[in-house]
Amino acid sequence: EADIYQTPRYLVIGTGKKITLECSQTMGHDKMYWYQQDPGMELHLIHYSYGVNSTEKGDLSSESTVSRIRTEHFPLTLESARPSHTSQYLCASSEWGEAEKLFFGSGTQLSVL
Amino acid sequence: AQTVTQSQPEMSVQEAETVTLSCTYDTSESNYYLFWYKQPPSRQMILVIRQEAYKQQNATENRFSVNFQKAAKSFSLKISDSQLGDTAMYFCAFQETSGSRLTFGEGTQLTVNP
Repeated sequence: EADIYQTPRYLVIGTGKKITLECSQTMGHDKMYWYQQDPGMELHLIHYSYGVNSTEKGDLSSESTVSRIRTEHFPLTLESARPSHTSQYLCASSEWGEAEKLFFGSGTQLSVL
Repeated sequence: AQTVTQSQPEMSVQEAETVTLSCTYDTSESNYYLFWYKQPPSRQMILVIRQEAYKQQNATENRFSVNFQKAAKSFSLKISDSQLGDTAMYFCAFQETSGSRLTFGEGTQLTVNP
């Protein structure tokens, strides 16, 4: 079944650690996104990609980086996590077209101690 | 820059009743797209309904319908016969043109009470 997967679902780490949040989709979508969302708050776009080897920064400044080596995979990396990075990170994908429908993953809840 | 405003941070409704969530937006474009997304507790966000601005007819998806007022830049969501499973955070979103990024509102937490 076509879907979008995020791992891990929950992550608690110490300050200074390097982490990678995984996101994969099986729908063959060219467009993928990372959003940051604090509890009960709006979504902020931090990165997006329109295809392999294409990555752009979003509307909210983030110290994270992303890569897009394969269509289905869009991982997000934090080189040195800090408590200010504590948040929920949502991955999404869509295909080109009018009124594009975003498909979201279940999210990764990151807590940095 | 486009902005999307949801002025109701929280709302509640009794099961089987009707509730309307408000959304206003600001744009200078004549054609664009509007969406309502639902984020249930601890579950994936999903698309509820979408509207193309060039279509005058309001979109409808089963119990969900919109009231699109282009001149007023208003895009409200009506949920009829509310069910407990409708309890979720609802986000209004705006897309300026096909292919551009979405702008989300702040969200409205809807609670359906038994």
